[in-house]
Amino acid sequence: NAGVTQTPKFQVLKTGQSMTLQCAQDMNHNSMYWYRQDPGMGLRLIYYSASEGTTDKGEVPNGYNVSRLNKREFSLRLESAAPSQTSVYFCATSGVTDTQYFGPGTRLTVL
Amino acid sequence: QKEVEQDPGPLSVPEGAIVSLNCTYSNSAFQYFMWYRQYSRKGPELLMYTYSSGNKEDGRFTAQVDKSSKYISLFIRDSQPSDSATYLCAMSAAGGTSYGKLTFGQGTILTVHP
Repeated sequence: NAGVTQTPKFQVLKTGQSMTLQCAQDMNHNSMYWYRQDPGMGLRLIYYSASEGTTDKGEVPNGYNVSRLNKREFSLRLESAAPSQTSVYFCATSGVTDTQYFGPGTRLTVL
Repeated sequence: QKEVEQDPGPLSVPEGAIVSLNCTYSNSAFQYFMWYRQYSRKGPELLMYTYSSGNKEDGRFTAQVDKSSKYISLFIRDSQPSDSATYLCAMSAAGGTSYGKLTFGQGTILTVHP
């Protein structure tokens, strides 16, 4: 029972490159979330998916796209990476309560 | 003004001290209150979960919610070096389109030194 897994753990991109961050959960939760965490800014919601087949924008969606592939998987795509997207990205899930369970994170650096 | 305010610290205490961590909020719709602990270079992990006003105790940890003052606290008794981490408060409103969405504080960095 792995909980919430994220790949990759680390990534370095050049400005303009694209990449997809993967998230998978085995908790049978309906809702999934993508956050970014920056020093002094706390956790900010990028996109979320309340259930399979639905996605919605969060607080900071610009420059990102998401796909809820199935109940288990929720991916975050950067189409044209910018240095401002250097951050630590966390995926989270929640079930019948509002408590969220987080993955280990992906550290992304955009040069 | 942010919906949730949390003093970022850093807070440094000796082992065995009682630690008090606090958050204030402005949205009166918040009903669910959580504390997360985040070790360096790890994801946040849920520590405490409370609904509406009152106290909840779990071992050395006590969470308090005062909805009339829009103020929540986390107390750590007999603090240990292993408690050194960033503590994030989080809260959500009940039901509607905000169901499941959490609003986080900035986090307080705590160091407990031996």
